[in-house]
Amino acid sequence: TQLLEQSPQFLSIQEGENLTVYCNSSSVFSSLQWYRQEPGEGPVLLVTVVTGGEVKKLKRLTFQFGDARKDSSLHITAAQPGDTGLYLCAGQLYSGAGSYQLTFGKGTKLSVIP
Amino acid sequence: NAGVTQTPKFQVLKTGQSMTLQCAQDMNHEYMSWYRQDPGMGLRLIHYSVGAGITDQGEVPNGYNVSRSTTEDFPLRLLSAAPSQTSVYFCASSYSVALLGTEAFFGQGTRLTVV
Repeated sequence: TQLLEQSPQFLSIQEGENLTVYCNSSSVFSSLQWYRQEPGEGPVLLVTVVTGGEVKKLKRLTFQFGDARKDSSLHITAAQPGDTGLYLCAGQLYSGAGSYQLTFGKGTKLSVIP
Repeated sequence: NAGVTQTPKFQVLKTGQSMTLQCAQDMNHEYMSWYRQDPGMGLRLIHYSVGAGITDQGEVPNGYNVSRSTTEDFPLRLLSAAPSQTSVYFCASSYSVALLGTEAFFGQGTRLTVV
């Protein structure tokens, strides 16, 4: 059972278009992170959201954490070819004994066509 | 700083062979982990360690062993390679799993093919 469901799985858009990627779960997370992974590389952290309803902006990228801390979205405005990559959401769950465990969604593969 | 370093980058094994994937971090991170990434499956946790001398199983531990004798190193051993272990393997480290929102730093991955 996948704890975090990402949609869509694949997305191909023209340069300049806007897009939104979703990350949903039935579990409540302590925090939610978004990573971007480029071919042949490991994932790199883009943002961490902690508070329900929190919105963070990183240039053309807007991240939102749902009020109930069960879901998140990533919105990209005016997509550019450099945005191409695999976007992964990761939820942090308290696993007891003072520690948190990170679980990843399957990712959204984004292609931005010039 | 080098961050998280994985070796080798590519490896081809025959079924039944054993090998060790190396992972080292120079950030004095407490937490280290190994993931495998397969098409359509995302990142799945194999084993993790919360400190030197302490390891535990993740979601898909069968066929793999780990040890953590130092803070810096966290090798992953394939005991008897099988074609189902063909995958891209990532090592990651974090400062502490006791911190909310702690960032995971990943290596560049090892692409393993078992024939």
